[in-house]
Amino acid sequence: EVQLVESGGGLVQPGGSLMLSCAASGFSFSAFFMTWVRQTPGKGLQWVADIKGDGRENYYVDSVKGRFTISRDNTKNSLYLQMNSLSVEDTAVYYCARRSYNWYFDLWGRGTLVTVSS
Amino acid sequence: DIQMTQSPSSLSASIGDRVTITCRASQGISKYLAWFQQKPGRAPKCLIYDVSSLLSGVPSKFSGSGVGTDFTLTISSLQPEDFATYYCQQYYRYPLTFGGGTKVEIK
Repeated sequence: EVQLVESGGGLVQPGGSLMLSCAASGFSFSAFFMTWVRQTPGKGLQWVADIKGDGRENYYVDSVKGRFTISRDNTKNSLYLQMNSLSVEDTAVYYCARRSYNWYFDLWGRGTLVTVSS
Repeated sequence: DIQMTQSPSSLSASIGDRVTITCRASQGISKYLAWFQQKPGRAPKCLIYDVSSLLSGVPSKFSGSGVGTDFTLTISSLQPEDFATYYCQQYYRYPLTFGGGTKVEIK
């Protein structure tokens, strides 16, 4: 089955760190750009980061540059998001998504909730 | 950054109504616009990409149109399963950006 499954969310204090994982299955993982998108409670969607199939290029929204790192392990069909210096504004559901060959997000995971609170 | 402005932010409609949602980009985005449907507690689901291309399995009651900076999602005959929040998104340039969403509710 073609799917993405996120894990690693939870409660963390401001200033803390968390690493999210996304396990991919059912498709040729290394052939696709992969993405993290977040959604704040009751609000809209925000693209967070992208990584090329071979892992050699990545892109970030300004608000997370220098704090978040997107990475992947194609041998494990896994995508990661290392989040450091977390603030309450980072509280959101984090989705991993696949960018299709036409560049739109064609496959999404169910999301994992990150709550930053003291 | 390219700002995506959706309108309205919410609407109430009846079963069978024709519904139109608009999305305006702050600069030209060529054909690189997608529409997503999201239901409570679920991940977004892509309905349309490249302005007007319907994803496989998406009913033909959904259609997209537009050019340049102004785009439209139309639902030809609203059904109970269509009550959801809809988002547009540009993938022309980084940072990728979404519209603020349009919540479609039952009248």
